[in-house]
Amino acid sequence: TQLLEQSPQFLSIQEGENLTVYCNSSSVFSSLQWYRQEPGEGPVLLVTVVTGGEVKKLKRLTFQFGDARKDSSLHITAAQPGDTGLYLCAGAGNTGKLIFGQGTTLQVKP
Amino acid sequence: SAVISQKPSRDICQRGTSLTIQCQVDSQVTMMFWYRQQPGQSLTLIATANQGSEATYESGFVIDKFPISRPNLTFSTLTVSNMSPEDSSIYLCSVGRGSNYEQYFGPGTRLTVT
Repeated sequence: TQLLEQSPQFLSIQEGENLTVYCNSSSVFSSLQWYRQEPGEGPVLLVTVVTGGEVKKLKRLTFQFGDARKDSSLHITAAQPGDTGLYLCAGAGNTGKLIFGQGTTLQVKP
Repeated sequence: SAVISQKPSRDICQRGTSLTIQCQVDSQVTMMFWYRQQPGQSLTLIATANQGSEATYESGFVIDKFPISRPNLTFSTLTVSNMSPEDSSIYLCSVGRGSNYEQYFGPGTRLTVT
């Protein structure tokens, strides 16, 4: 059974601080996706990383896929209150189904 | 991407009753999924809704409790049958797109069973 361990589960920080969220697995994924979800809405896709070692940037968010395609990280620089939400990593195999991590609830205080 | 709508957005139901949740997509898609989510927690896949055949259920979920219909490539329903308070949750549908199996989610249905 494929599992994705996501940490930390909760993060409460002040505006302007940096943070990193990790997703780790013993399984290889063909791609790793990151989603953000706000209360009352469905998750929204932020980025997909496909190649081992790949780094993608989305404004202040930096996503990295591990060389072996088993792990990924999300780094936020100078967090803003608008970054508050539930962050989910999800691994894709070749069945079309996604394996989700446990989620990280981020609160950024002004 | 895709635009996905769900009805109802929320409901409060009595135990023992059933609720059918609708999911409408603005374009034809092959892969549709139904998830359950407790507030602030991750998603649990209930089943894959297959057009023209029976849904494929994940371990712990059965057709009698969560019957799913998929009459065409833009629409699906999930019924939560014989509800109990333990069924109180957020139910989300999603569609799969792209070569990397990205998913696009509806806004969810918040169900409370009393």
